[in-house]
Formats: sequence, C-alpha cells, structure tokens
Amino acid sequence: EVQLVESGGGLVQPGGSLRLSCAASGFTFSTYAMSWVRQAPGKGLEWVSTISGSGAGTYYADSVKGRFTISRDNSKKTLYLQINSLGAEDTAIYYCARSGSGWFAFDYWGQGTLVTVSS
Amino acid sequence: DIQMTQSPSSLSASVGDRVTITCRASQGIRNDLGWYQQRPGKAPKRLIYAASSLQSGVPSRFSGSGSGTEFTLTVSSLQPEDFATYYCLQHNSYPPTFGQGTKVDIK
Repeated sequence: EVQLVESGGGLVQPGGSLRLSCAASGFTFSTYAMSWVRQAPGKGLEWVSTISGSGAGTYYADSVKGRFTISRDNSKKTLYLQINSLGAEDTAIYYCARSGSGWFAFDYWGQGTLVTVSS
Repeated sequence: DIQMTQSPSSLSASVGDRVTITCRASQGIRNDLGWYQQRPGKAPKRLIYAASSLQSGVPSRFSGSGSGTEFTLTVSSLQPEDFATYYCLQHNSYPPTFGQGTKVDIK
C-alpha cells in the first residue's frame, strides 16, 4: 500500500524558514517523480514543485521560485521541501504527491502538513 | 499557462441523483487530465486518470469522458460519501494546473 506521511509544518514568522518532509513507503521510491501541492485555507489546489526520481530534475511554480527548494533522499525514501522567505501568502496545507504516468499526474497524496505564517 | 475552468462552481444534489461536472481547458490537452475528490479535512484522492480511466478501487458510479478541451466527470447515482469538492488537473502542458473546484453538497 502506498503511504506518504508529511511532517515539519508549523507556525513561522514572516521571513522565516521551514523544512517539510514526506516519508514514503509501499513503492519503489527512487523510480517515481514526486511533487508538492499546496492549498491555502478555503482555497483550491496549487502545484508547487516536482522532482525527478533521481533528483536531477526539479521544477517550480513561479510563485515559489527562488524561495523554495525541493530535494529527496532515495536511501531514506524521503522527499523534502525547504521553504524560505515565507510570507502570509504561503500559509497553506502542503501535500506531497507521487507522480504516476507523467511527471505531473499525481496519483497518491499524503495527508498534508499545515504551514502558518504569522507574527 | 493553461487555464482550467470548472462548472458549476457548486451544486446541490440528493442521494441517488446523477451529477455531471465539466472542466474546460483554455487550449487542447489531449486526454492528459485527472479528476480528484476532496472530502472536508482530507487529502485529495484521484478518481479518474487519462480523462476516462477509473483509478483502482474507485466505485464504478464515477466515470470520466472527453478529450482536447472539454471534459466531464459523472457520478451516476450520488451516495452520501460523495458529497465533497471535485477538482480537475491538466498535466499536458507545464505548469500543471487545477480547476477551481466544484463543491457538491446535499440538497
């Protein structure tokens, strides 16, 4: 069974940083691209970033480019998202998602971790 | 970026009703589209991939159709657990983009 478990969210001040993690199990982690998708309170879904199975390729939404860094450790079956220079607009639930056939065809999702940016 | 427009934004329906949600793409995306269900407080769950293929484990009352720019998700007989928000996602063109969502609630 595919399982994705996010952690690392919390309350952070504007301008602060956090590192989110997503622990994967139930599939061969290194053979799948992985992504982060976020959802602001009461809003829709927004793609944030994707990383290839090897980690060599990374993609970012314009809204986070230069502030967020996606990475992975295939030996630990863990996906990361380093988020810096946080603003109120980054307040959201952050979901990790596995990419099925197609880098952006998200087939399984974690339960999400909440990031709240507030002073 | 490709814009995905869902309609309606919300609808009220009764258990047993047939419900159809539409997603229109601002340009052709072949069949590179998925449908997701999100229950309150839960993560999205994929129902349909490649526009019309049913995800494993998803009840057969859900179906998808379409290609190019117009797509539909149909629930043939709405069940109590189907009251949720539904999103489409296109992954044909970078960046991937979601529709704004359709909330289905109880009439």
